Amino acid sequence: KQEVTQIPAALSVPEGENLVLNCSFTDSAIYNLQWFRQDPGKGLTSLLLIQSSQREQTSGRLNASLDKSSGRSTLYIAASQPGDSATYLCAAPSGGYNKLIFGAGTRLAVHP
Amino acid sequence: GAGVSQSPSNKVTEKGKDVELRCDPISGHTALYWYRQSLGQGLEFLIYFQGNSAPDKSGLPSDRFSAERTGGSVSTLTIQRTQQEDSAVYLCASSLDSGGAAGYTFGSGTRLTVV
Repeated sequence: KQEVTQIPAALSVPEGENLVLNCSFTDSAIYNLQWFRQDPGKGLTSLLLIQSSQREQTSGRLNASLDKSSGRSTLYIAASQPGDSATYLCAAPSGGYNKLIFGAGTRLAVHP
Repeated sequence: GAGVSQSPSNKVTEKGKDVELRCDPISGHTALYWYRQSLGQGLEFLIYFQGNSAPDKSGLPSDRFSAERTGGSVSTLTIQRTQQEDSAVYLCASSLDSGGAAGYTFGSGTRLTVV
């Protein structure tokens, strides 16, 4: 049974800092892992999708890595901005990967 | 359409009434998923459709919850005799295939409030 854990639960940083958000999963037999962003009262926006054959994916200031053997993924945010303030969710497929299992998220606040 | 569309965006209903929530996935996406996010909670899987069939209904919390999908496209989640604990944001997602190799796209959700 897939379980996803995210650390830290909340993070408050000054603008400009580089950040690392952590995600761990128990079932390493995954084909991919996805990071999402959720703004208050909104749906989910996909940030990065990493296939199991990849070690990392980059989009702008975001970089996500995947280490299946250790059951870990990290989301790196460079030069954080107040507009990055949101909840970041990591999601891994369950066995048969017909559904995603989500972590509880990391609530990020970037202050000017 | 360009994205996953859900309606209504907000719904307030009286306890005991039935509600229907609609999801219109991205055109061509064969897989469709319903999730629920209660206040301060994580996302809870409800049901998965591949085409019009639902091979995984394991997340439906009670027999008051049902869902259908017609024409391999639009899906409706129905909650009968709503209870206050049903209050949550209901999110729909679609993917190109059941493997999700191309990732999942979520709609903006329906915020359901049962009073």
